[in-house]
Amino acid sequence: DADVTQTPRNRITKTGKRIMLECSQTKGHDRMYWYRQDPGLGLRLIYYSFDVKDINKGEISDGYSVSRQAQAKFSLSLESAIPNQTALYFCATSDPTSGDTDTQYFGPGTRLTVL
Amino acid sequence: QKEVEQNSGPLSVPEGAIASLNCTYSDRVSQSFFWYRQYSGKSPELIMSIYSNGDKEDGRFTAQLNKASQYVSLLIRDSQPSDSATYLCAVNGVNTGFQKLVFGTGTRLLVSP
Repeated sequence: DADVTQTPRNRITKTGKRIMLECSQTKGHDRMYWYRQDPGLGLRLIYYSFDVKDINKGEISDGYSVSRQAQAKFSLSLESAIPNQTALYFCATSDPTSGDTDTQYFGPGTRLTVL
Repeated sequence: QKEVEQNSGPLSVPEGAIASLNCTYSDRVSQSFFWYRQYSGKSPELIMSIYSNGDKEDGRFTAQLNKASQYVSLLIRDSQPSDSATYLCAVNGVNTGFQKLVFGTGTRLLVSP
C-alpha cells in the first residue's frame, strides 16, 4: 500500500462549489504539506502543518483552508472554487526526527479542474 | 532573483551519455539540497539529498554541491530513455526558517534511444 494517499485522484467541479481534497499517510510523520503545481510555475506551498495543533500558511494560501484531523490526515478545502485554482495538487510528508529531516515524500496527486 | 533557479530545458542527450543538470540558489545559508524526478502527471520522487560540499554518488546518479558558488548539480551517467522526466531542485534555508523547501521550476530531460 502507498505510504501517502490522496483522494480523489481526479475531480471536475464548477465555479463556486466547495470541495475538499484529502490526504492520508501511514509513514507516521508529523509534518504534512499541501502544494499546487502549475505548468511553468513549479511547486508552490499552500499550507503546512508540523503537528495536529500547528497550521501555517504557505506562499499562496488565499482561497484555501486546511484541517489537520489527526497525525495521519490533512485536508485541503476550496471554499468557493474558481477556474484559476485548476491545477495538480500534491500532499507531502516529512519526519523531523529522521536523519533526512527535510526530505519530503509526496502523494500521487489530485488533478482538479474548475469549470 | 528567484530563490531556486533551473534551466527549463529541454536538455536532450543520447542514450548512454552523461546528463548534467544544474541549479543555483540565492539563500547563502541554505543547508539541505534535494533532487526530485517527476514524470509527466506523476508525483515528485526523491533521487538524492546532499548536505555537504562535494560529491555524493548513488548508482548512476551523482549530486555535486558548491556552497561558495551557490549551486548544486546532478549528473546522470549512462542515461537511459527511462530517465526522460523533469528534474526538480529543492533547497531549504534561513528565509524559510529551515522548515520548508523551496522548489525550482524543473529541468526537462529527454534521452533519445
